Amino acid sequence: GDSVTQMEGPVTLSEEAFLTINCTYTATGYPSLFWYVQYPGEGLQLLLKATKADDKGSNKGFEATYRKETTSFHLEKGSVQVSDSAVYFCALNAPLSGGSNYKLTFGKGTLLTVNP
Amino acid sequence: KAGVTQTPRYLIKTRGQQVTLSCSPISGHRSVSWYQQTPGQGLQFLFEYFSETQRNKGNFPGRFSGRQFSNSRSEMNVSTLELGDSALYLCASSSGVVGGTEAFFGQGTRLTVV
Repeated sequence: GDSVTQMEGPVTLSEEAFLTINCTYTATGYPSLFWYVQYPGEGLQLLLKATKADDKGSNKGFEATYRKETTSFHLEKGSVQVSDSAVYFCALNAPLSGGSNYKLTFGKGTLLTVNP
Repeated sequence: KAGVTQTPRYLIKTRGQQVTLSCSPISGHRSVSWYQQTPGQGLQFLFEYFSETQRNKGNFPGRFSGRQFSNSRSEMNVSTLELGDSALYLCASSSGVVGGTEAFFGQGTRLTVV
């Protein structure tokens, strides 16, 4: 079945440091890939997405490139802020056989703490 | 445009009871999915409804059920609650089109079973 593996952390960085959170996936077909962020006490918010190979998703200074050859979708940010402290989830949506079903498969999440 | 609304935000129930959670999707969205989030298991898919029909189901026991109404609002029911059902239950809505359509999540319902 489909699966997503991401570095579990926790990751602790100082403000303005460079961030990378690794994510690799296994899926049949051609999945769409997503990064979601969850702030304390909140639901998940979509951070960025990519729907086909070599697409780059970007938002709020975060970027991730869909690499089909390495089945990866690593999240990066050049300079993190205290307000980026949250849990980050990598996810995929691979259409299931037999119809247009929708199911997200998530990684276990990576807790990021940014210190001033 | 209003977001996804889940009610209630918090619930405390006793083992053996049943509970119903509600989710109102974004206007125009026909797909509603439910997820269980726990520290140990992470985010696990429960089921998805589209136009009042269950299209997909995760690996949860039959105590977990759901339904969707004609206005796309969805309810999730858990019967004979167990301590292990304590979790954050998240609802997500989307247009339901296959492929890259993203899901929008509600703030969740925090269920505590005592």
